[in-house]
Amino acid sequence: DAKTTQPNSMESNEEEPVHLPCNHSTISGTDYIHWYRQLPSQGPEYVIHGLTSNVNNRMASLAIAEDRKSSTLILHRATLRDAAVYYCIPVRQGGSEKLVFGKGTKLTVNP
Amino acid sequence: DGGITQSPKYLFRKEGQNVTLSCEQNLNHDAMYWYRQDPGQGLRLIYYSQIVNDFQKGDIAEGYSVSREKKESFPLTVTSAQKNPTAFYLCATRRQGGNYGYTFGSGTRLTVV
Repeated sequence: DAKTTQPNSMESNEEEPVHLPCNHSTISGTDYIHWYRQLPSQGPEYVIHGLTSNVNNRMASLAIAEDRKSSTLILHRATLRDAAVYYCIPVRQGGSEKLVFGKGTKLTVNP
Repeated sequence: DGGITQSPKYLFRKEGQNVTLSCEQNLNHDAMYWYRQDPGQGLRLIYYSQIVNDFQKGDIAEGYSVSREKKESFPLTVTSAQKNPTAFYLCATRRQGGNYGYTFGSGTRLTVV
């Protein structure tokens, strides 16, 4: 399983953009990069995932480095509801396709 | 609405008793997973199943058992052999055969006293 490195915590102000980085230098060519977030006492919530190209959805954007050794989750306008722990997880296609969670980044959003 | 139902939300058991946590889904997903989360930690995989009547051990399967008799259901039994059963248990599903995200249930918080 590819290892990931994320900051333990980050802070943002409401309505400002947030860039959450993730290093995954041991990622293999068939690993998709998934992002999930978890609010206290809740199950994780899928945010976005991608392989090589940048991806956008209604929740966020995912920017993937050309060498795929890092990626950045972008929340375009943070709200108080975005305060959560964010996990970046490489997922190998085929086999178990299991999620291996690290400790993630705890995002605090200030009003 | 399609989703995952985990019940109960809170569960209390005495030490030495087996307990079964329920996970039901109506998403028609083939793969189902059980994770455990301890305070301040990430999730760890207990068991997973990619097809009915088949399942595999995850990273921390000792003291746990599962069954997958129906596509919709993947119950987890926490046995008395599990040394530290008090934790937050999460069930997840995923559609197989493509590039899809995972869906998680809302979890069961088990406390063993």
